[in-house]
Amino acid sequence: DQQVKQNSPSLSVQEGRISILNCDYTNSMFDYFLWYKKYPAEGPTFLISISSIKDKNEDGRFTVFLNKSAKHLSLHIVPSQPGDSAVYFCAASRGETGANNLFFGTGTRLTVIP
Amino acid sequence: DAGVTQSPTHLIKTRGQQVTLRCSPISGHKSVSWYQQVLGQGPQFIFQYYEKEERGRGNFPDRFSARQFPNYSSELNVNALLLGDSALYLCASSPIAGRMNEQFFGPGTRLTVL
Repeated sequence: DQQVKQNSPSLSVQEGRISILNCDYTNSMFDYFLWYKKYPAEGPTFLISISSIKDKNEDGRFTVFLNKSAKHLSLHIVPSQPGDSAVYFCAASRGETGANNLFFGTGTRLTVIP
Repeated sequence: DAGVTQSPTHLIKTRGQQVTLRCSPISGHKSVSWYQQVLGQGPQFIFQYYEKEERGRGNFPDRFSARQFPNYSSELNVNALLLGDSALYLCASSPIAGRMNEQFFGPGTRLTVL
């Protein structure tokens, strides 16, 4: 049973515009959420996280929004750059520690068109 | 500084064989976690080791085993390979068995079972 879902396998955005990647989860016990970026032939790289006590966390061009009532989070990238083209994974866990609690979505491939 | 390294990069095995995958963590990192990423899916947690002790195990059969050595490197063993074991196997290291946002992933080992 997929507890973390990314329903859009791919997304194309023009350079300079906003990219919005979405993620839904089913387990109400999840209270810590992360986004990872993955380039081909490389492992996932941590991008940004958010705790359930917040509804927004910002780091430069990247902002994650959390809607606990809807069990939904989104990653906004503004402005999008060609170097942002990668696969983005959403992940969720119960608590901020313990890899055995970490559940990943299936990923969204973002293509930023120059 | 070197990141997480994994060997081999690619591997082809036949059903019923056994395979050993290797991971060297970032210098100073004492925790290693293993993930399986099947094509089209997100990474799925297999094991976490910290200070040579197993700290967590995912929902994988006993054919999967792992260990961590005194130098904190790790091996993942899979016995009696099945076609469904074909996947990218990712290793991640962190300073302690703690926060997921401090995990650094290696590039993975691509295992193909024929």
